[in-house]
Amino acid sequence: DIQMTQSPSSVSASVGDRVTITCRASQGISSWLAWYQQKPGKAPKLLIYAASTLQSGVPSRFSGSGSGTDFTLTISSLQPEDFATYYCQQANSFSLTFGGGTKVEIK
Amino acid sequence: EVQLVESGGGLVQPGGSLRLSCAASGFTFSSYEMNWVRQAPGKGLEWVSYISSSGSTVYYADSVKGRFTISRDNAKNSLYLQMNSLRAEDTAVYYCARSGSYYDYWGQGTLVTVSS
Repeated sequence: DIQMTQSPSSVSASVGDRVTITCRASQGISSWLAWYQQKPGKAPKLLIYAASTLQSGVPSRFSGSGSGTDFTLTISSLQPEDFATYYCQQANSFSLTFGGGTKVEIK
Repeated sequence: EVQLVESGGGLVQPGGSLRLSCAASGFTFSSYEMNWVRQAPGKGLEWVSYISSSGSTVYYADSVKGRFTISRDNAKNSLYLQMNSLRAEDTAVYYCARSGSYYDYWGQGTLVTVSS
C-alpha cells in the first residue's frame, strides 16, 4: 500500500495567518491527491482534488499544489471556521489511503 | 440535495455480525461508485471498501478482507456493509462516501462498538 505522511501533526496559528500543511507519498502518485477538512463530530469535507482543483463552494483561501510524492495545502489567511483537522488522501491505487491528519488549533 | 444516511450501527460482541446500511437520495445513485470509510475513536480515516456503480467490482482493505462484504441495491438507492467476525479493532464510526477516487459527499456516520 502507498503510505501518506503528513506534517506537522498539529499547528497553532492565529486568525489571519498563512498555514501550510505538507503530505508526502511513499511512491509517486502523479496528481491523484485530495485534501479534506474535518471538524469534531462531523464527517470530512472535500476541499481539493486532483492535487490543486478546488471543490465547488470551497473558499479561494484554500489552495493545493504538488505532484509525484510531495504535496501542499495552503490556507492563505486563516479564518475562525478553519480550525479543524485536515487529511490528505491518495487516489492512485484502489487501496486508497489517508494521511495521519494535521490539527489546526487556535494560538 | 445529496443525502447519505447510515444506519445499523450499535454494540456487538467480538465474533459477532452487523449489517450497515446507507440510504442515498438527491442524485442518481446507480451512476456512482460508493465506498465505506471508518474512523476509530480519536484516530484518523481508514478506507474500508469500494463498490462500482453496477456492483460488479468490489475492493476491500486488507484489514477487513474475508470478513466484510460490500453490496448495493440500485433499485432501493441503498449501500450495505455486512460485517462478520467482528473484532475490537473494528470499533469505529463508519461513513458511506460517494464516488470512486475523491469522496465528494459523506454521510453523518454510524458508530460500531465491538466489546464484550
